[in-house]
Amino acid sequence: GAGVSQSPSNKVTEKGKDVELRCDPISGHTALYWYRQSLGQGLEFLIYFQGNSAPDKSGLPSDRFSAERTGGSVSTLTIQRTQQEDSAVYLCASSLGSYTGELFFGEGSRLTVL
Amino acid sequence: DQQVKQNSPSLSVQEGRISILNCDYTNSMFDYFLWYKKYPAEGPTFLISISSIKDKNEDGRFTVFLNKSAKHLSLHIVPSQPGDSAVYFCAATSNFGNEKLTFGTGTRLTIIP
Repeated sequence: GAGVSQSPSNKVTEKGKDVELRCDPISGHTALYWYRQSLGQGLEFLIYFQGNSAPDKSGLPSDRFSAERTGGSVSTLTIQRTQQEDSAVYLCASSLGSYTGELFFGEGSRLTVL
Repeated sequence: DQQVKQNSPSLSVQEGRISILNCDYTNSMFDYFLWYKKYPAEGPTFLISISSIKDKNEDGRFTVFLNKSAKHLSLHIVPSQPGDSAVYFCAATSNFGNEKLTFGTGTRLTIIP
C-alpha cells in the first residue's frame, strides 16, 4: 500500500497476556519508529530502527516491551504480560531517514488491557 | 518530565479568523521544531517545521514562529477553515539528523462555522 499499515487496529486483551502489534512501513523507508499515546498524553517515543544500525530502545518503558524489524521492513512490537497501564494507541511511523523530521504515521493500534 | 508543553488542551476559533497555537520547550538542545496535525482515527501528519537558525517559516495559510530566547514557538493559521479542526501536536528534536521527536500533549482546535 501507499501508506504505513498497522494491525490490528483494535486489540482487547486480558491482563497478563502477551500481544503483538505489526507495522508495515512505506516501501523504501529506512527508518521506522514506534510511539504510543496514552489517554490525555502526548506521543511517547518507544523505539527507533534505522537501516542496519542497532535500534534505539531508549524509550521502551520496561523489559516487557520488545520490538524487532525483519529484513529492514516489517516490524513487530511485542508486549509481554500486559498490564492495564499498557492501554494506549500504539503508533508506527516510517521515514526516508534523511533528516527532515517528517515522519509518516500509520493509523495506530488501539490496545485495551482489561 | 514534559520537555515539550502545550498548555492549552483546546481552542475554538471562528471560521475566517486567525488561530494561534502555542508550544513551549525546556530543552535548550532542541534545534528543530515541527507541527503535526491529527484527525480522529488517523495517524498524525506533518504540517510545517522550523530550524533554530530561523525565526519564521511560512507555508500557505500556516506560519510557524520561533522565539529561542523564550523557548517558545507558535503556529498561526489564517484564515481558519472548518477542515483545520483537528488536534495539533508540537514536536522537537536535537542534533541535526536525529529524527527521534519529542511531542507535546496536543491542542484540539475547533473551527466554528
